[in-house]
Amino acid sequence: EIVLTQSPATLSLSPGERATLSCRASQSVSSYLAWYQQKPGQAPRLLIYDASNRATGIPARFSGSGSGTDFTLTISSLEPEDFAFYYCQQRSTWPPLFGPGTKVDIK
Amino acid sequence: EVQLLESGGGLVQPGGSLRLSCAASGFTFSSYALSWVRQAPGKGLEWVSGISGSGGDGGTTYYADSVKGRFSISRDNSKNTLYLHMNSLRAEDTAVYYCAKVAAGYYFDYWGQGTLVTVSS
Repeated sequence: EIVLTQSPATLSLSPGERATLSCRASQSVSSYLAWYQQKPGQAPRLLIYDASNRATGIPARFSGSGSGTDFTLTISSLEPEDFAFYYCQQRSTWPPLFGPGTKVDIK
Repeated sequence: EVQLLESGGGLVQPGGSLRLSCAASGFTFSSYALSWVRQAPGKGLEWVSGISGSGGDGGTTYYADSVKGRFSISRDNSKNTLYLHMNSLRAEDTAVYYCAKVAAGYYFDYWGQGTLVTVSS
């Protein structure tokens, strides 16, 4: 079974800074990777699918890249509402699997 | 606007049963696969179960190993409602349960707000 690893576990940044989050798969998932944002007490929200495609309504400051085993979610300039948890998810093999998450908090 | 509204959560004793419901609106319900995803307190996301939409394998069900044989997913397309029947509940099943609409491939593009299931004596 594929294992997803996310790093760092916590990323402490200030508004306006660039955030770079990593998701690594234990074996290739091709480009079949998504990113979700979750705020406390809320449901997750799909940000990026198939590694680099923004979901409907997602601001352009969110971008995804990578293929195979190494993926990156970049937030070009953090807005106050971006401080949250971020999860990656693969759909390359069954079952769909989420990574453990990265918390982006305010420095 | 797509909306998913879960209900049916609550406190149940170990070994007990519970049925969750998810009322959907804003899309052609029967056409889409749906899933249940759970999140234990302070933990990450875990896919639990899925059911296909109409089409060649319409109504096919899928389960995580952790719930296989104990949980059963079903849908009523006439009521636009998804269900999760949970039996032989364990403490480790304690979580917020989300229903989610499945997008192309197997991503989750819309989520409900979740319903909390607590398994405790």
